[in-house]
Amino acid sequence: GENVEQHPSTLSVQEGDSAVIKCTYSDSASNYFPWYKQELGKGPQLIIDIRSNVGEKKDQRIAVTLNKTAKHFSLHITETQPEDSAVYFCAAGGTASKLTFGTGTRLQVTL
Amino acid sequence: DAGVIQSPRHEVTEMGQEVTLRCKPISGHDYLFWYRQTMMRGLELLIYFNNNVPIDDSGMPEDRFSAKMPNASFSTLKIQPSEPRDSAVYFCASSKRRRMNTEAFFGQGTRLTVV
Repeated sequence: GENVEQHPSTLSVQEGDSAVIKCTYSDSASNYFPWYKQELGKGPQLIIDIRSNVGEKKDQRIAVTLNKTAKHFSLHITETQPEDSAVYFCAAGGTASKLTFGTGTRLQVTL
Repeated sequence: DAGVIQSPRHEVTEMGQEVTLRCKPISGHDYLFWYRQTMMRGLELLIYFNNNVPIDDSGMPEDRFSAKMPNASFSTLKIQPSEPRDSAVYFCASSKRRRMNTEAFFGQGTRLTVV
């Protein structure tokens, strides 16, 4: 089955700096790569996703890149703000509709 | 839409007792997923349904776990008997697949503590 690895497990950045979270996946059949943000006491919420026919996608301060050859994808957050502090999960999904999640990255944005 | 609704939000039970977690997916969604979240193992998929039919239950840890979806608007995850190692946050999620994978919407979760 699919295996998703995520790094780093914790990340601390100063407000205004950029944050990058990286994931690798194992199943070449995976074609859908969403990123979820989880705030304390809440369920994960989708923030951006990318499909295998696209190499990069951007939504305001958030961007995701995908390298299908290397089987890795990354989340980039620019101009970080305190409200970006949360746990971020990458995931990979294929034709079976189920998602395999990474282990999460706890992002702390300090003032 | 109110989103995915889970109940209860918190459950504390004694070891050996039966626990039932409930989920109401978003109306019109044809996929329903049950996940378990722990510090050690992260988010694990336990089972998922398509059009009320269980498709993949390979993530269900033991026979003590069972899940049902009697209709499109309701699903349960049951643990009988419960054990302390079952303590975790259990999430239900739903999605509507069109030609390809789409966003899964998560509920608020049920925090289960087995003492």
